[in-house]
Amino acid sequence: AQKITQTQPGMFVQEKEAVTLDCTYDTSDPSYGLFWYKQPSSGEMIFLIYQGSYDQQNATEGRYSLNFQKARKSANLVISASQLGDSAMYFCAMREENTGGFKTIFGAGTRLFVKA
Amino acid sequence: GAGVSQSPRYKVAKRGQDVALRCDPISGHVSLFWYQQALGQGPEFLTYFQNEAQLDKSGLPSDRFFAERPEGSVSTLKIQRTQQEDSAVYLCASSSPTGTPRETQYFGPGTRLLVL
Repeated sequence: AQKITQTQPGMFVQEKEAVTLDCTYDTSDPSYGLFWYKQPSSGEMIFLIYQGSYDQQNATEGRYSLNFQKARKSANLVISASQLGDSAMYFCAMREENTGGFKTIFGAGTRLFVKA
Repeated sequence: GAGVSQSPRYKVAKRGQDVALRCDPISGHVSLFWYQQALGQGPEFLTYFQNEAQLDKSGLPSDRFFAERPEGSVSTLKIQRTQQEDSAVYLCASSSPTGTPRETQYFGPGTRLLVL
């Protein structure tokens, strides 16, 4: 079964507008962490934001925020004030404590295109 | 160095050849991970080291894949008798373990392997 589902293969957004990238996950472990990474065409995975399963508040990092809805098992990434440099692949990922925290499971990704 | 480095960045191999991919983690990082990323997919976990100990190799797709980290720093992923389905980007990541899901992995630029 898919543990991380990203249903949007591609998304377009106008420069300076906000965009939401969807992510749903599946786990029975009460302790887990959710991550978003950006992968530009250069190939390197860049860490953006983290949300812990016990965190009471939604995570924010600059223009990135995570809309964490635990009951729905969703962890959508919101990028505000999109910039041309935001065009890239975005991956949602999860790490479960029961696995010893070793494995990070990634979704298939969403390609974001920012239009000028 | 400041970040995770990998070499070579690109590798073309003939089917049946052996290849060796190198990863230099961030200095002082105890944890090291290898991932395989097929075209258009998210990274998939291959193996994990804590110092020189390989604690999880459950993601290695076959016994043709072998990874080592003999001195707890540089790691090598070796693929014997390469097959066309081995063509992918191989990503290395390192982290300083916190013992919680919060641990952030820092990725290298990857090695793009093409098997002809």
